[in-house]
Amino acid sequence: DAGITQSPRHKVTETGTPVTLRCHQTENHRYMYWYRQDPGHGLRLIHYSYGVKDTDKGEVSDGYSVSRSKTEDFLLTLESATSSQTSVYFCAISELTAGARDGYTFGSGTRLTVV
Amino acid sequence: SQQGEEDPQALSIQEGENATMNCSYKTSINNLQWYRQNSGRGLVHLILIRSNEREKHSGRLRVTLDTSKKSSSLLITASRAADTASYFCATAGGGKLIFGQGTELSVKP
Repeated sequence: DAGITQSPRHKVTETGTPVTLRCHQTENHRYMYWYRQDPGHGLRLIHYSYGVKDTDKGEVSDGYSVSRSKTEDFLLTLESATSSQTSVYFCAISELTAGARDGYTFGSGTRLTVV
Repeated sequence: SQQGEEDPQALSIQEGENATMNCSYKTSINNLQWYRQNSGRGLVHLILIRSNEREKHSGRLRVTLDTSKKSSSLLITASRAADTASYFCATAGGGKLIFGQGTELSVKP
C-alpha cells in the first residue's frame, strides 16, 4: 500500500530463533500498530506506538517486543520464535489516534512460518 | 478478547443484490470503522462513523450505528463480483482499534 511497506513479505524460521519484522512509512504519521491475523481470531493487536520511543502493549504481546527509534520505522521482534507465532503480521499507521479521521492504512503483510 | 462480532460469518449472494453485514460490540466507543480485505492483501479502510452519528453513506455503502443496542450494520447496494472480500468492523476506544472476526462475502456473477 502506498506510504507503508513491510519487510520481509515471507519468512520461514526455526523454533527458538529471534526474528525481526520491519514496518516503514513515508507518511510521517504518529501512530503505528502491529497486528497478527489468524483463522478464527480475526486481527489481534500485538503492540502499538504513539510516538518515537513511545510504545504500549496490545492484547497478545507475550513473546513480542517492539522498538521505534524514528518516526518512519516500527520494528517487531519475536524474541524466540515458537510455532504458535506462525501467522500473518500486519502493520498499520494512522495520523490520529485509533484512526479517528481517516482510519488506518495497512501494509501488505508478512507471512511468517515457524518450523 | 474481540470487541466486535460480525454476523453472518459468511454470506453468498448474486451480483446486483444487496449485502448486509452486522457488527455488535460490548463497550462504549468513540467511533466504529469498516474495512475490506481481499484475499492475501492488507485491509482497506471503507468508512468511519462517529458515536454521535446514526447513518453515513459513501458511494454504494451505507453504514448505520445504534449505540443503544451497541450494533452497526454495513449495507452494500447493487453488489458486484469485485465486492467479494472479507469485511471487518473495528471499534475505537482507548487509543486503538479492536477488530472483529469478519464476514466473508462472496458475490457470484
